[in-house]
Amino acid sequence: GQNIDQPTEMTATEGAIVQINCTYQTSGFNGLFWYQQHAGEAPTFLSYNVLDGLEEKGRFSSFLSRSKGYSYLLLKELQMKDSASYLCAVGANQAGTALIFGKGTTLSVSS
Amino acid sequence: KAGVTQTPRYLIKTRGQQVTLSCSPISGHRSVSWYQQTPGQGLQFLFEYFSETQRNKGNFPGRFSGRQFSNSRSEMNVSTLELGDSALYLCASSLGGGQGETQYFGPGTRLLVL
Repeated sequence: GQNIDQPTEMTATEGAIVQINCTYQTSGFNGLFWYQQHAGEAPTFLSYNVLDGLEEKGRFSSFLSRSKGYSYLLLKELQMKDSASYLCAVGANQAGTALIFGKGTTLSVSS
Repeated sequence: KAGVTQTPRYLIKTRGQQVTLSCSPISGHRSVSWYQQTPGQGLQFLFEYFSETQRNKGNFPGRFSGRQFSNSRSEMNVSTLELGDSALYLCASSLGGGQGETQYFGPGTRLLVL
């Protein structure tokens, strides 16, 4: 079966660091994506991992371990504007771009 | 470069009716995917089109269908609407539809079925 798990909600304060975990079990694997979605808006691309290891992009980093079926998104120096839903998604088809999404983690950043 | 556009943005229908939603991908993008987003189930994959052909299909009933035109624009149709079809319908486009390609999402069409 196809399953992607991530925590439903997380809270943090401005300036802090937060790690959002994602575990997956899929029949195929063509990489793992993280998207950010603000309330009422479309998801926007944050990161893509296909090989094991850490990818850093400014305040955001994403890690992948294929053997463990595990990824995390690390957000540093949190800002109020980072309050959003963070979606973990796996490309699981041999061809094409179809993504299987987790249900998302709603992050609330307070001052 | 203009982003992905979807029309209409909001729609209210009644049970039993049918609806057609439209998606225009980013210029030059040839792959279009459709997703349904609900609070309970999150984002669920409906289908993907590339070069006017359906390449992948999610686990939705046959009432959900789609097509893609030669200019890469895509439409999805839902027939015999049910209350549970109320959702945000998102389309996403990517350049060539290859593995690992980033998908860019449109703003969505919010459908309410009464």
